[in-house]
Formats: sequence, structure tokens, C-alpha cells
Amino acid sequence: AQSVAQPEDQVNVAEGNPLTVKCTYSVSGNPYLFWYVQYPNRGLQFLLKYITGDNLVKGSYGFEAEFNKSQTSFHLKKPSALVSDSALYFCAVRETGAGSYQLTFGKGTKLSVIP
Amino acid sequence: GAVVSQHPSRVICKSGTSVKIECRSLDFQATTMFWYRQFPKQSLMLMATSNEGSKATYEQGVEKDKFLINHASLTLSTLTVTSAHPEDSSFYICSALRHRIYEQYFGPGTRLTVT
Repeated sequence: AQSVAQPEDQVNVAEGNPLTVKCTYSVSGNPYLFWYVQYPNRGLQFLLKYITGDNLVKGSYGFEAEFNKSQTSFHLKKPSALVSDSALYFCAVRETGAGSYQLTFGKGTKLSVIP
Repeated sequence: GAVVSQHPSRVICKSGTSVKIECRSLDFQATTMFWYRQFPKQSLMLMATSNEGSKATYEQGVEKDKFLINHASLTLSTLTVTSAHPEDSSFYICSALRHRIYEQYFGPGTRLTVT
């Protein structure tokens, strides 16, 4: 079974500072990894994904994430946080070749960027 | 591209009535759609996988007779909450699988309140 852990319920960062939202995963085979952002009372917006290739993935709104196979991690990062980045962030995983396209989500991390 | 809509965005209904939520992929065909439920400050819980032209696959613990899913066309899936009760109040989110890239695109969600 696949699983995702987001160890922090909340991350606070000052505007302009770098931010990191942590994610670790567990799958039997190779993972497809995703980050989504959710604003209040809205659906999920896709930020970025890792399928294969370069371990550093660049996504929307200046976000990036680094796939680390040995640590089974896929942390989300941004060099300089904006107040508008304040939202709920979800990491998700899908096992490649599993025949199912279901995503397993982490419990989410609330990011608060302080002006 | 890859827009998914949901209707209605929010609905209030009385206990015992049924509510239908529509999920549409606006600019691509989706043979597979997913329905999720999200409780406040919690992650998305997959309820069922909806496949066009066939019966939906429900996750363990989800009542098939209560949450009726119909995927009648390649762009529309509906979730009907039958005989709704206050405990069914939640945020329901659908996603549509875009097969060329095997990525899920999420709708904006429907807030259901049962009084």
C-alpha cells in the first residue's frame, strides 16, 4: 500500500524568506509524486509533479520540489515566500505501473506567510 | 486547458432529501473520474472511482446505495447523495483523469450542508 506523510500540520514563514513544506512517501515500486495547493473553499490546484528524470522539478508560481529516492522525500520549496502563498498544501503519490490512477494524499500542511 | 467544473458550488438541503452534484471535464474527455470527500482541516478521502459506461468502484466503508455515481458520458459524472443526513455535510471534490498524461485535474468542490 502507498502512503504519504506530511509531518508538519502548519508552517509559518516570514514574507521574503525561503519556505519548505516537507513530504515523505512510501510505495512498493517507483513513485509518481505531486504537489497541490488548496485555497479556502476551493478545489485543488496542481503545482508540480515528478515522474522521472531530473530530481529537481520546477512548477507553478515559483515553486519547486526535489525528489530524493534514498530519503523517500519530495519536499516543496520556494526561494522567497509571498503572502499570497498562504494556503493548504497537499503532497500525493501514485505508484507507477500499478494499473490504477488513484492518488494517495498526505493530510496537508497549512502554510502561513507572515507580512 | 484541462478545466474541470462542479455544480453546484454549494448547496443546502434538508435531512432526508437527495442532492445531485455534477462534475464536468470541459475541454477533454475523461473515461475515469474520482470523487473525494474532505472534512474540515483534513485531507481528501477517496470515495469512489467512476468509469464511463460501467459501474463505479467504491472504497471500503463508502455506502454504494447512499452515494450513487453515474458516469454517463466522457465529460460528465454525477454524485447523488441520497436521503442526506447532517453527517453527510462535507466538501465534495471531483477530479477527472486526463489519459494522455495520466494526471488528475480537480474541480472546485461542492460544499454540502444538510440541515
